[in-house]
Amino acid sequence: QSVLTQPPSASGTPGQRVTVSCSGSRSNIGSYTVNWYQQLPGTAPKLLIYSNNQRPSGVPDRFSGSKSGTSASLAISGLQSEDEADYYCAAWDDSLNGLVFGGGTKLTVL
Amino acid sequence: EVQLVQSGAEVKKPGESLKISCKGSGYSFTSYWIGWVRQMPGKGLEWMGILYPGDSDTRYSPSFRGQVTISADKSISTAYLQWSSLKASDTAMYYCARRVVVTATAYYFDYWGQGTLVTVSS
Repeated sequence: QSVLTQPPSASGTPGQRVTVSCSGSRSNIGSYTVNWYQQLPGTAPKLLIYSNNQRPSGVPDRFSGSKSGTSASLAISGLQSEDEADYYCAAWDDSLNGLVFGGGTKLTVL
Repeated sequence: EVQLVQSGAEVKKPGESLKISCKGSGYSFTSYWIGWVRQMPGKGLEWMGILYPGDSDTRYSPSFRGQVTISADKSISTAYLQWSSLKASDTAMYYCARRVVVTATAYYFDYWGQGTLVTVSS
């Protein structure tokens, strides 16, 4: 059971907007910024969003992040087939004094 | 260009020892924390621990403390993850990643190694 809670799956058709939620607690999301990672099949995770809503250089602006209280969400607009991947949220946690991940959301582009 | 290059895949027997590596280049190795993340087959990401090569300060996830040892040799910009006695349940992909500290409440892993697959089987 992961400390951060994500839906196991999400789906959408090309061009649609999809969101992935991430729920935590005061000791993690409530106290620290949230990061999102994209893991394409057979590859290492890649930083997608950092500090709640910042995109690293090279990440399309179709990807956006937000945080409110102890929850965060990732939005993908203009869905494309290459967005089919696993998405993980992560935040530092005071109780663990370490990093916690969500269980991951498998995004399928129909 | 920042790179983290990990050692190759390993096949080991239960009870054997193992040390895998992660070599950093393109940045000041001693100025960034390096973390290790496990991904068991078909499962999600799990944080194992983190080390600051500058002074070897090391923190472990409670789930992995006593099960693995994280270390580094800053003279060759390389971090290590080692086991003294492997179990079949250690079969997984292991990633190293560089941690950026923005503020006291904002951290993230920006660069990741390509992963090292460890298979433990009799």
